This record gives sequence, structure tokens and C-alpha cells, in this order.
Amino acid sequence: DTAVSQTPKYLVTQMGNDKSIKCEQNLGHDTMYWYKQDSKKFLKIMFSYNNKELIINETVPNRFSPKSPDKAHLNLHINSLELGDSAVYFCASSPIHEKSPLHFGNGTRLTVT
Amino acid sequence: DAKTTQPPSMDCAEGRAANLPCNHSTISGNEYVYWYRQIHSQGPQYIIHGLKNNETNEMASLIITEDRKSSTLILPHATLRDTAVYYCLGYGGATNKLIFGTGTLLAVQP
Repeated sequence: DTAVSQTPKYLVTQMGNDKSIKCEQNLGHDTMYWYKQDSKKFLKIMFSYNNKELIINETVPNRFSPKSPDKAHLNLHINSLELGDSAVYFCASSPIHEKSPLHFGNGTRLTVT
Repeated sequence: DAKTTQPPSMDCAEGRAANLPCNHSTISGNEYVYWYRQIHSQGPQYIIHGLKNNETNEMASLIITEDRKSSTLILPHATLRDTAVYYCLGYGGATNKLIFGTGTLLAVQP
């Protein structure tokens, strides 16, 4: 009964490859997010979608493209992976866009070699 | 969004109350004070939030000063499983983004 689930949990790939991370929430929330946690443990917001519409895009490189086929899913596709993309990526969801607690998944650890 | 300041680390004896401080002197009137924690290798977990009044739930209590420039998260009876990084955030301002700082690493000692 995982509320926010991400797959895969671990992803190891080489520079230049394209990869996707999937996220699904079964909480009925309208808003979903992607966060990145780097090696220094800073958590930074990347994107926010509300009912499949992009709300926040934090000047993330164009190589990162979120896709929301429906409001329960927000996938993250990354093109031409670079060493600096290595991080833990967290998906989250919340009931409405403003001031609601976020529920986070357990992260996808991406390692680019 | 409010900039928050927290001590980098704290220790607490198991079974005792853990009081985690946070300064948020730039918080705006419509921003809530939120607390999350991140246990090693897991996603951040929501704990509690408040605007002006003190709040309590099954996890913790939140004490907000009258001028709203600081707050304290209280874990009444800390256990080893409460060892985590605790984040204090201002949320709900103009940009409406949950922005995490460096947090406080709480180490609960047996």
C-alpha cells in the first residue's frame, strides 16, 4: 500500500545514455513533484505538476523532461546523462498545490559512470 | 520564502524530550512553518506544521513564538528511531515552493 512509489530504486548507467524514472501515487493527490538530493544532501525542487499541468520548473536543464500521463503519475526522463546528474531523485505528491504537506517516495539513486 | 536557520547537529538521550530550534525571522505573514525529517536512505517525512498557534499531533509538538520569528519542534520521548535530519521550512509564500535547508541532525543516544 505504498503511497508514493518510485521505480527503479537504484539506477546505474553510463554517460550519454537516456534513462527514465517512474513515479506513481495512490493518494488521489492533484499535485506531484520531483526533487533532487545531491551528494551534499541538499534537497532541491526540480518540477511541480498540478493536474498534469507544469507549475514549477526550477531552471532545470532541457535534458530533464517530466511527463505526466495522468495526475497519479509523474515520470522523469533524462537525456544524455552527465556525471553531475548522479544524485537521489525524490518524487512527492500533495492534495492541492498550496500549503499542503508533501508525501515523498523513498527515492531513486542514480549513478552515472 | 523564509530563510531558516537550524543548528547542524544535536544529541538527545533516549526517552528524553528532544527540543529542536529553528529561526525564521524573515517569514512572511502567510507562510506556514513546516517540519519534515529524513531518516537515512528514506524520503523526507512530514511531521507537523503551524501558522501562529502551537500545534500537537501524534508525532510531535510545535511551539511558535508570538512574533513568529522562531519555533521549536518537540519530540516528547525520543527513541533511537527518531535519529534523523530534521528540516524546518517556511511554506506557502509567493513562490509556494518547499525549500529545504541543511537541517539538524538529531542523534538519539541509548
